[in-house]
Amino acid sequence: NAGVTQTPKFQVLKTGQSMTLQCAQDMNHNSMYWYRQDPGMGLRLIYYSASEGTTDKGEVPNGYNVSRLNKREFSLRLESAAPSQTSVYFCASRDGGSMNTQYFGPGTRLTVL
Amino acid sequence: AQKVTQAQTEISVVEKEDVTLDCVYETRDTTYYLFWYKQPPSGELVFLIRRNSFDEQNEISGRYSWNFQKSTSSFNFTITASQVVDSAVYFCALSGKMGGTSYGKLTFGQGTILTVHP
Repeated sequence: NAGVTQTPKFQVLKTGQSMTLQCAQDMNHNSMYWYRQDPGMGLRLIYYSASEGTTDKGEVPNGYNVSRLNKREFSLRLESAAPSQTSVYFCASRDGGSMNTQYFGPGTRLTVL
Repeated sequence: AQKVTQAQTEISVVEKEDVTLDCVYETRDTTYYLFWYKQPPSGELVFLIRRNSFDEQNEISGRYSWNFQKSTSSFNFTITASQVVDSAVYFCALSGKMGGTSYGKLTFGQGTILTVHP
């Protein structure tokens, strides 16, 4: 099992450009999450999908949109990138049973110039 | 609102020393989960340990142990006989209820940078 995979690993954008970060999991988890990590601030939740067909905002959703394409895939879109969105983005999926643990992808390092 | 505080920004130890990472949390949920994650220099986030709020039994797993005290809202993590490979950023995280489903959203502390010197 690959676990949680993310593409791309690195990306540089110019202000105003758009892009989509892709995430897929092969653990048959219902819930998926997008976080951003900024220096000194830990990880903050952007959006989440509790189950296929549902999405909801997290702590810092402004400037982002998401799509839960199917049970495996959850994408994050930046419609008009801004320098404040320079960050490392992590996707996670959750074992919703007794383990209730989130497992993370390797991250995408995004720079917006 | 939930909050996780890791007061130690950076810790530096010499190999084979024991090191304890502190974590204090705030939540109004009566049922919740606490986690420790490790982020090595390569950048990935690795799940280490989990404890639920209705089980205060402390455990040891290899060189890792944790001390969960509900009375003081603390969930401290100890590495015994530290090794250079333990050098990483360690995050404490809290998961409570989210929306109409139980559990889910993780609230992270700011992280503690641990450096183990040979």
